[in-house]
Amino acid sequence: QLQLQESGPGLVKPSETLSLTCTVSGGSISSSTSYYWGWIRQPPGKGPEWIGNIYYSGSTYYNPSLKSRVTISVDTSKNQFSLSLRSVTAADTAVYYCAKVSGDIGYWGQGTLVTVSS
Amino acid sequence: EIVLTQSPGTLSLSPGERATLSCRASQSVSSSYLAWYQQKPGQAPRLLIYAASSRATGIPDRFSGSGSGTDFTLTISRLEPEDFVVYYCQQYGNSPYTFGQGTNLEIK
Repeated sequence: QLQLQESGPGLVKPSETLSLTCTVSGGSISSSTSYYWGWIRQPPGKGPEWIGNIYYSGSTYYNPSLKSRVTISVDTSKNQFSLSLRSVTAADTAVYYCAKVSGDIGYWGQGTLVTVSS
Repeated sequence: EIVLTQSPGTLSLSPGERATLSCRASQSVSSSYLAWYQQKPGQAPRLLIYAASSRATGIPDRFSGSGSGTDFTLTISRLEPEDFVVYYCQQYGNSPYTFGQGTNLEIK
């Protein structure tokens, strides 16, 4: 059974960089050639927002609204992929989910709340 | 970017009734690449429907999806107590993928 688990700081100061890692178990990132690995966030009380996807080979696609501040990377040796979001503000406070994406999203991590505050 | 508008924002019904949730897109969704999710408090969304009308693995047949182009519908034929949570639609036919703002299904 595929499982995804987010990890990283729950509190980030304004203007700093938010960094999260997703560890995949129960399957190999490299073997899922028909899927992408993605990040989605959900501000409190709002709908989800797609951040971006990465393919196991390293090719990426980002939401244009965040593209200037986002980097998603993959480490197939550790079966992990990561999110970096620079110059955060309070508007970036959200639950961040990692996911296995085939357009629709069938597998989600449990999510991790990241609060941006000094 | 395709904007998805869900209606109503809140739907009040009783167990056993039929629920009809709407998702309207600001432009046509390519190849009916539209999904529906259910989200319970404190949990990640769960995929119910993909490609507008295909049920995901393990989803009860009381959930059904329909529609094409810009108008899509999620129908729950007979509401169970556990169905009274929030539902989102998502389009993945055009980048960036986008989600609706949600419909809250509450017990009347």
